[in-house]
Amino acid sequence: DGGITQSPKYLFRKEGQNVTLSCEQNLNHDAMYWYRQDPGQGLRLIYYSQIVNDFQKGDIAEGYSVSREKKESFPLTVTSAQKNPTAFYLCASSSQGRKTGELFFGEGSRLTVL
Amino acid sequence: GQQVMQIPQYQHVQEGEDFTTYCNSSTTLSNIQWYKQRPGGHPVFLIQLVKSGEVKKQKRLTFQFGEAKKNSSLHITATQTTDVGTYFCAVREGGKLQFGAGTQVVVTP
Repeated sequence: DGGITQSPKYLFRKEGQNVTLSCEQNLNHDAMYWYRQDPGQGLRLIYYSQIVNDFQKGDIAEGYSVSREKKESFPLTVTSAQKNPTAFYLCASSSQGRKTGELFFGEGSRLTVL
Repeated sequence: GQQVMQIPQYQHVQEGEDFTTYCNSSTTLSNIQWYKQRPGGHPVFLIQLVKSGEVKKQKRLTFQFGEAKKNSSLHITATQTTDVGTYFCAVREGGKLQFGAGTQVVVTP
């Protein structure tokens, strides 16, 4: 089935450790996104990429890094510089060719810093 | 960047009642999208509005885009327990999609 796969679903990390969240899509979408969601909050954009080997910062990029070496993959690294990393992380993709350009989301990765 | 304000933040609804959630912007929008996120789930696309004054219906859901393209609304009639969740509006700004804070809907049987 086509879709977006995020892993791991749950992740625990000690303070000072970097952690990488995986996001893979087989929808042949050009654009991919990472959002952060805190309890009772909306979605805040961390990074997005419209094409392979290119990405742009969103509204809260500090303490995060990404890469886009392949069309289907857009991993997010939460570095030790991120002051409050405990959150629900959502990856999404969209097709530039679709009229609506709606986002298709993965099921999310819930990160808890101990 | 564009900012969209959603009101109310929370909405408690008795099953069978109607309710409306609003999305407002200080600037003119090219289009607006609506998403629904069930508790514990991920956002799912509902619809996109593009034209001034546009109205679209999906069963019990009615979506409207304001004449000035600065606001939008989602009206749900005869609320059911399956309507529980958070409803987000989102606007496209260049290559990115910016989301409102959402309206969290709780349905009481």
